[in-house]
Amino acid sequence: EPEVTQTPSHQVTQMGQEVILRCVPISNHLYFYWYRQILGQKVEFLVSFYNNEISEKSEIFDDQFSVERPDGSNFTLKIRSTKLEDSAMYFCASKATVYEQYFGPGTRLTVT
Amino acid sequence: AQTVTQSQPEMSVQEAETVTLSCTYDTSENNYYLFWYKQPPSRQMILVIRQEAYKQQNATENRFSVNFQKAAKSFSLKISDSQLGDTAMYFCAFSNAGGTSYGKLTFGQGTILTVHP
Repeated sequence: EPEVTQTPSHQVTQMGQEVILRCVPISNHLYFYWYRQILGQKVEFLVSFYNNEISEKSEIFDDQFSVERPDGSNFTLKIRSTKLEDSAMYFCASKATVYEQYFGPGTRLTVT
Repeated sequence: AQTVTQSQPEMSVQEAETVTLSCTYDTSENNYYLFWYKQPPSRQMILVIRQEAYKQQNATENRFSVNFQKAAKSFSLKISDSQLGDTAMYFCAFSNAGGTSYGKLTFGQGTILTVHP
């Protein structure tokens, strides 16, 4: 069964450093999403991406964040200058057309 | 903007018993989808069940069923014959069926369910 994959599973970085979180969505899916979950809290929407552009972004997704689909298969989330409060689990998800999104296993980002 | 509220931070149930998790939501949309996701300790997000707002019939998926009350904006999850593997955080989620927010999921705060042997 096809699945969404994410790498790395855990990333530790120092405050102020840039990180890139990678996702490979399911191959025939058209809609892509990033969410984050601070430990013990709810899952929050960051950004949605369709037809090679951002279709919606949340207030969390400020100028420090960017997304890219560089080669038609990968979908990346970049945080330019990480802050302590960026420590969270980051989930990538993809969707074909209607109904449910399929989530990847997540990347745990720890900013020290 | 849509909001999703889960008013039960924690629930517990004995193995083989039935438990119901509550969820309410607020939206001005008429066409939308509702979901329950399970998050075990591994933190993987696993879809449990979905409901289309235009369908009057409540969705069922094996031991999982929902009680969808559109007028009351209520969407509860019933787990029958609870199993130890059902122990997890459960999230209720809302998605528009169209428009610019198409597909974006809005989650509730989650309910931690513990199944006791």
